[in-house]
Amino acid sequence: QKEVEQDPGPLSVPEGAIVSLNCTYSNSAFQYFMWYRQYSRKGPELLMYTYSSGNKEDGRFTAQVDKSSKYISLFIRDSQPSDSATYLCAMSGGGKLIFGQGTELSVKP
Amino acid sequence: GAVVSQHPSWVICKSGTSVKIECRSLDFQATTMFWYRQFPKQSLMLMATSNEGSKATYEQGVEKDKFLINHASLTLSTLTVTSAHPEDSSFYICSAREPGTSGRLETQYFGPGTRLLVL
Repeated sequence: QKEVEQDPGPLSVPEGAIVSLNCTYSNSAFQYFMWYRQYSRKGPELLMYTYSSGNKEDGRFTAQVDKSSKYISLFIRDSQPSDSATYLCAMSGGGKLIFGQGTELSVKP
Repeated sequence: GAVVSQHPSWVICKSGTSVKIECRSLDFQATTMFWYRQFPKQSLMLMATSNEGSKATYEQGVEKDKFLINHASLTLSTLTVTSAHPEDSSFYICSAREPGTSGRLETQYFGPGTRLLVL
């Protein structure tokens, strides 16, 4: 079993839709939870990070962590074609980042 | 935000040759850099952690004699793929962490990646 599981998609939504991206994990030692966005043939860029259970909002993005269920989510409101990318969850508890497989998102105009 | 560059952005080489990839932190000093490999449609896999002035720490299953890492300065780390073979073809991505932020992984900045194709 992988430490971090993420549905690779692809996920296709119309412009303006609310997007929900999720990851599950098995290692209860993970303390930091991050979401990265990666455009094709580019390095990942950090979107959001959280430390504890709960919600964190930044503009159209909301990150949610449920440590009791070992489940994290990223919500994108009013999705735009420019949001089309691969979204990777990542987490750490020991100084190293463990990434999910990434979900490929396509937002259609 | 902090910028990390990689050079080259892509490289094609013949089987058996060696390829060097550079990772630079452009506007900050990075005591720690990380090297990742990413195969198509797959996640980033950490290969090694590189600390300035000391030997790199390799992840399990990564051959340290094949993937040579040198972190000679606070702004430069290099990854050399020695005697490259077609199965080494991948997307290699480095990241750099600002000093004094070991507990804050959000300050790990990623480079744009280097695409390696071994024929």
